[in-house]
Amino acid sequence: QKEVEQDPGPLSVPEGAIVSLNCTYSNSAFQYFMWYRQYSRKGPELLMYTYSSGNKEDGRFTAQVDKSSKYISLFIRDSQPSDSATYLCASHTGGFKTIFGAGTRLFVKA
Amino acid sequence: EAGVAQSPRYKIIEKRQSVAFWCNPISGHATLYWYQQILGQGPKLLIQFQNNGVVDDSQLPKDRFSAERLKGVDSTLKIQPAKLEDSAVYLCASSLESGGQYFGPGTRLTVT
Repeated sequence: QKEVEQDPGPLSVPEGAIVSLNCTYSNSAFQYFMWYRQYSRKGPELLMYTYSSGNKEDGRFTAQVDKSSKYISLFIRDSQPSDSATYLCASHTGGFKTIFGAGTRLFVKA
Repeated sequence: EAGVAQSPRYKIIEKRQSVAFWCNPISGHATLYWYQQILGQGPKLLIQFQNNGVVDDSQLPKDRFSAERLKGVDSTLKIQPAKLEDSAVYLCASSLESGGQYFGPGTRLTVT
């Protein structure tokens, strides 16, 4: 079992839709949770960085962590074609050995 | 603020040859990471430095991979000798202590 799992997609949505991206993890010691966006042939770009359970909002993006079910979510409101990318979730216990999911490919159609 | 710089951007070598990658992190970032990303997969941590010291290299194939970070700033990752399965993108990232990581553009390595 991988420590962080994501549905690889692809996920295709129309412009303006609310997008929900999800990950599950197995290591109950994970305390820090991140979402990255990666465009083709680019390095990952940090979108959200959260600690423990709860919600964090930044513009059109909301990250949600439920430690009781080991579930991580990223919501994108009013999705745009420019949001088309691969979204990676990642976790670590506190500064060491970040584990990434394989990524979910998202396509937002104009 | 300048981002993480990496070079070269692309490299093609034959198996059994050697190759080196260079990374310059964001100024002031104490922690530097090297990742390997194979097509269709998430980045896999190879080595993590805190200033000059190694804090995790458990997934670094030490028989062929080596990395150093001199003076706690720039870093180089070397592969010698390369194998076909080393074809991947090598990503460098940096962070303030245990904060979110900021990635460079990566080096795309093809081993033929």
